Amino acid sequence: DADVTQTPRNRITKTGKRIMLECSQTKGHDRMYWYRQDPGLGLQLIYYSFDVKDINKGEISDGYSVSRQAQAKFSLSLESAIPNQTALYFCATSPTGSDGYTFGSGTRLTVV
Amino acid sequence: DQQVKQNSPSLSVQEGRISILNCDYTNSMFDYFLWYKKYPAEGPTFLISISSIKDKNEDGRFTVFLNKSAKHLSLHIVPSQPGDSAVYFCAAYAYPGGGADGLTFGKGTHLIIQP
Repeated sequence: DADVTQTPRNRITKTGKRIMLECSQTKGHDRMYWYRQDPGLGLQLIYYSFDVKDINKGEISDGYSVSRQAQAKFSLSLESAIPNQTALYFCATSPTGSDGYTFGSGTRLTVV
Repeated sequence: DQQVKQNSPSLSVQEGRISILNCDYTNSMFDYFLWYKKYPAEGPTFLISISSIKDKNEDGRFTVFLNKSAKHLSLHIVPSQPGDSAVYFCAAYAYPGGGADGLTFGKGTHLIIQP
């Protein structure tokens, strides 16, 4: 099994729908992250969490929400999806924040 | 405003030659720098890192150089191999007190190794 598992791998949804992307990790780290990658752009931080009670906004959090259900689980929600949220989404975990990042394989989301 | 810049979207290098990927940053609070490699349909994987107190770090075929005064770092791959063909992301981190947690990434450089 992968250290960081993201589901689904691919998803097509309609504008206005609510959608949840899920992430689970087996590394045992406290810190978890959600990043978004657009074509030709780098990864941008959406939300991060130091532990189940500590969740923080990243640079592009508008239109997104997260839930840290357990140390190993961190889900990302789009309350009302819009086409410009079409992107590749990555979940990651790190023991320190500066190093040791393990990324999932990504969720390709298309909003039509 | 991009804080980590990779100005070359792509780079083509002949197998066996040196690949040099460049990265510039603007935030002087960054004190740790990393390079990640990404293949299609996979997440980024860690390649090499360097602390701001050093100017060079080497790991096998990979060497990262840091010029703090110029706010510039580069990744050297010698010799380049076909398996090195991937997208390379430069990333930076500011330790707590210097900003939010998480890495700040550049846009990436697509390295293509020609046989």
